[in-house]
Amino acid sequence: SQTIHQWPATLVQPVGSPLSLECTVEGTSNPNLYWYRQAAGRGLQLLFYSVGIGQISSEVPQNLSASRPQDRQFILSSKKLLLSDSGFYLCAWRVDGYYNEQFFGPGTRLTVL
Amino acid sequence: GDSVTQMEGPVTLSEEAFLTINCTYTATGYPSLFWYVQYPGEGLQLLLKATKADDKGSNKGFEATYRKETTSFHLEKGSVQVSDSAVYFCALLNSGNTPLVFGKGTRLSVIA
Repeated sequence: SQTIHQWPATLVQPVGSPLSLECTVEGTSNPNLYWYRQAAGRGLQLLFYSVGIGQISSEVPQNLSASRPQDRQFILSSKKLLLSDSGFYLCAWRVDGYYNEQFFGPGTRLTVL
Repeated sequence: GDSVTQMEGPVTLSEEAFLTINCTYTATGYPSLFWYVQYPGEGLQLLLKATKADDKGSNKGFEATYRKETTSFHLEKGSVQVSDSAVYFCALLNSGNTPLVFGKGTRLSVIA
C-alpha cells in the first residue's frame, strides 16, 4: 500500500532562518507531487507541483522553492523565512489519471517568530 | 480558468441535524468532482468522489450527486455526529495531470 511521510511534524523557526521540509512517498512510482500551504483559518494554497524528477512548477511567486531530487522525494525550502511563511504545509501525491484521487500527508505546522 | 465555490462557513449544527454544504463549479468539459475532509491538525482525506454526470458518491453516511445541469456537487448527510466536526473541501479535476482545484473549505462544528 502507498504511504506518504512528512517531517518534521512541527517546527518553530526565527525570521530570517532557512527552511527545509521533506516529503517522501512509498508504494508508488512516478507520482505527481504537490506542496500546499494552509494559513490559519484559510483554504489551501497550491505552492508547487512536480510531474517528474527535476520538474517543478511554481504557482505563487514567493521566497520558497521546491526540489525533487528523487522520484518519490519532494523538498520545500527557503533561504530566509518571513513571518508570513507561518502555516500548515501539506504534501500530496497523485498518479496521472482522470479518476485518480489525491493523497495528502499529515502536514507540518510551521511557526515563524 | 476552472474554479470551485463553496458556501461560506462556519456551519454549526446540533447532533442529528441534517447537513448540506453547497458546492458549485466552473469548468470546461467534464471534470471529476471530489469532497475531502480535514479533521483538526491533520491532512486532508478523500470523503467521496464522482466522475460523471448523475453519479452519486457516498461514504460514512455522506452523499453528493454530480449535477451537470446546475454545475453542482452538494454534500449532504442525514444525521450529523460530533465526530463529523471538520473542514470540508470540494474539488475538481479537469484533466489527468493538472492539479486539483479546491474550494476554500467549509468548517463544520457539531454540538451535542
